[in-house]
Order: sequence, then structure tokens, then C-alpha cells
Amino acid sequence: NAGVTQTPKFQVLKTGQSMTLQCAQDMNHNSMYWYRQDPGMGLRLIYYSASEGTTDKGEVPNGYNVSRLNKREFSLRLESAAPSQTSVYFCASSAGQGAQPQHFGDGTRLSIL
Amino acid sequence: SQELEQSPQSLIVQEGKNLTINCTSSKTLYGLYWYKQKYGEGLIFLMMLQKGGEEKSHEKITAKLDEKKQQSSLHITASQPSHAGIYLCGAPLRGANSKLTFGKGITLSVRP
Repeated sequence: NAGVTQTPKFQVLKTGQSMTLQCAQDMNHNSMYWYRQDPGMGLRLIYYSASEGTTDKGEVPNGYNVSRLNKREFSLRLESAAPSQTSVYFCASSAGQGAQPQHFGDGTRLSIL
Repeated sequence: SQELEQSPQSLIVQEGKNLTINCTSSKTLYGLYWYKQKYGEGLIFLMMLQKGGEEKSHEKITAKLDEKKQQSSLHITASQPSHAGIYLCGAPLRGANSKLTFGKGITLSVRP
């Protein structure tokens, strides 16, 4: 069982470059989430999707866009990366529409120089 | 100040010892979620508490919710090296249907 799969696992970008982080779940879950985790700041919600076709902003959406491509996939895009976006990004999912996150991917470690 | 304070910040215990960690909210608790994270990995959902006084157990881990104190405690009995990791609590602090706000986590080390 793959669960929640994130790609890539590591990435280094230069300031101003763009990048899309991919997330896919194979559990037929309705809700999907993107978080960032920073030392001393804990886990913060960037965007979420309560069901296929819907997306909503979380606590820290500035500088990011998302796409719920289908029920399985939820991508996060950085249009013009900034050093402040250096972080570990986690995707999560849960079965119910709008339910709290239960299954997490292993994260994408992103460094922006 | 943090809306969800976790204490202690870190903890080192000898294998076999019991321990308790806490998560205290500055706002009304509509429920509370506990997760565990190992270094370099994603979060693993442990349990969800929804009602005041509720207590749940998973293997040797027991969590309780005290709505009056706006606090949850997580107790580990006879700790093992496999219990080591970061324990995070999360709660919907902006209404029962709001998304989770997370604490900063507690790092637990278990000495063999």
C-alpha cells in the first residue's frame, strides 16, 4: 500500500524559479492538504481540498497555488520561489469531505538559494 | 504566544519508564488530535479525542481530553525505543469545523 506519495523528496531551487510539488493518494480519499513544517513554527496549513474540484486557502497561502487535478492528485506550485519558502512540505489526505488529515506523505525537502 | 502549547519541549526517558506529555490550548477545544513523527518521515495519526473526559488507548499509549482545563495528556506506559519521535497535537481552534492548528511538538528520546 503506497498511501500518500510525494515527489520529489528533495529539491534545490534558485530564487525566482518555479516548481510544482506532486502528491498522489491511492486510498480514494476526498480531502487532501498541503502543509509546510519549519523549525520553531510547527506545521502550518497552506491549502486544502475538501473534495475533488474544490480548493481553499489555509493559514499561509501567499506565494503558492494548488490544483486538485482529480480525486487522486493534489499539486502545489511555487510560481517564483523565495528563500522564505525553504521548508519541508507535507501532503496529507483523509477519507471524509473536509475531514481532518489522517494520512501523511514523507515530505519534500525544498531549499531555495 | 502559541495557541497550542506542548510540554515539556523535549523529554529523555529510560526504557521501561512511564511518561506523560501535555497539550494545552489557549482557546476552547472542540476536539484534539495526536500524531507522531519520526525524523525524516511524515506524521502518523495516533488518535482523536472529541468529548470532554474522553480517553482512548492505542497499544501502550493513552490519551485523555480535559475540556475544562482545555488540555489533553498523552501517557506512555513502559516506554520502548520504538516510542521515540516527535509527538504533535492538533486542534480546530476557530470553530468545530475549522482546520487544525498544530503545536510545535515534543521530542521524545528513549534510552535503551
